[in-house]
Amino acid sequence: TQLLEQSPQFLSIQEGENLTVYCNSSSVFSSLQWYRQEPGEGPVLLVTVVTGGEVKKLKRLTFQFGDARKDSSLHITAAQPGDTGLYLCAGAGNYGQNFVFGPGTRLSVLP
Amino acid sequence: ETGVTQTPRHLVMGMTNKKSLKCEQHLGHNAMYWYKQSAKKPLELMFVYSLEERVENNSVPSRFSPECPNSSHLFLHLHTLQPEDSALYLCASSQDRVGLAGVTGELFFGEGSRLTVL
Repeated sequence: TQLLEQSPQFLSIQEGENLTVYCNSSSVFSSLQWYRQEPGEGPVLLVTVVTGGEVKKLKRLTFQFGDARKDSSLHITAAQPGDTGLYLCAGAGNYGQNFVFGPGTRLSVLP
Repeated sequence: ETGVTQTPRHLVMGMTNKKSLKCEQHLGHNAMYWYKQSAKKPLELMFVYSLEERVENNSVPSRFSPECPNSSHLFLHLHTLQPEDSALYLCASSQDRVGLAGVTGELFFGEGSRLTVL
């Protein structure tokens, strides 16, 4: 079974600060996705990374897929209260496993 | 608005009740999913339907019974639940089934049904 771990579990920061959250596994994934889930809503896809070493930017968010395709990071620059939510990583394996989700990082950005 | 609608948003039921959760997608997708989201566990995949056929049942207790009458609708029938079944139940859809053999695609989630079992 492929498992994803995320760190930190909780993060509370002030508006304007930078932060990085991590998604790690001992298994190789063919792709990794990041979703954000705001309170009272379902998760919404932010990005999909498929190539080892790939970096994608979405406004103030920068996503990186590890060279070995076992880990990923999400960096947010100048965080805003609207970034508050649960950040979930999810991976697709190569050997018939189902799509798996990590436990998430709960981010709170205080004004 | 993701194109996936779940009802009811909140449900409180006793252990002997029978209730159903409903999901409808307006995206023309071929695959639909039920996930369970608890406070202390990652999102757990419960059932997958692809082209109206159940293709995955992740060792879910029989007190949860899914139904997919057509490609746009998905139900989760609940009976004799336990308090530990209290959770947020999320429905999702995708163009084609994701995850199998590394297939990647976007999951579109509904807002969830918050279930409390007394």
